[in-house]
Amino acid sequence: GQQLNQSPQSMFIQEGEDVSMNCTSSSIFNTWLWYKQEPGEGPVLLIALYKAGELTSNGRLTAQFGITRKDSFLNISASIPSDVGIYFCAGLAGAQKLVFGQGTRLTINP
Amino acid sequence: GAVVSQHPSWVICKSGTSVKIECRSLDFQATTMFWYRQFPKQSLMLMATSNEGSKATYEQGVEKDKFLINHASLTLSTLTVTSAHPEDSSFYICSARPHGYYGYTFGSGTRLTVV
Repeated sequence: GQQLNQSPQSMFIQEGEDVSMNCTSSSIFNTWLWYKQEPGEGPVLLIALYKAGELTSNGRLTAQFGITRKDSFLNISASIPSDVGIYFCAGLAGAQKLVFGQGTRLTINP
Repeated sequence: GAVVSQHPSWVICKSGTSVKIECRSLDFQATTMFWYRQFPKQSLMLMATSNEGSKATYEQGVEKDKFLINHASLTLSTLTVTSAHPEDSSFYICSARPHGYYGYTFGSGTRLTVV
């Protein structure tokens, strides 16, 4: 089946640093979504991407839909303590079912 | 808008008993809802797709007789874990996609502990 490879699996950074994570796939996706999950909660949508090459921002977050439609990245600028959590990419290939990446666990040292 | 409410947030049950988890779309109608399972430090795994007025579609390897899904209305889907065992302990999350909205909205999840 379709799989998403998300990297890195974890990141330990200092407050104020920028963060970058990405997802790749061997399959084409029509939509890429980036979610953040905090302990004991469901994922919350951060950014949705609908077209190849699209670059979208949401505050300090920026995500891009790769030209090949097989990858996407998420950048967080000037990290703050509340950015701590697990970030998931998810792809949609036409059917309704989302395919999730393995997640990137972000830890921030103040 | 686009809120999915999930209850309970957590539940502890004895081995052999059944547990029902509810998922409601509060401000939109959802003909389709999705049920996921998440183990600690792992990603979300789709268990089944719940279809209003018809049978659920289960992913490969998910026991349909153990995880009963009912989607009786356009705003409510339920997942019943029957004859629960400790290995069923997990975090269960539902989601739905509002019409005209490209993102999937998730419930807050249910932590099930079977003792």
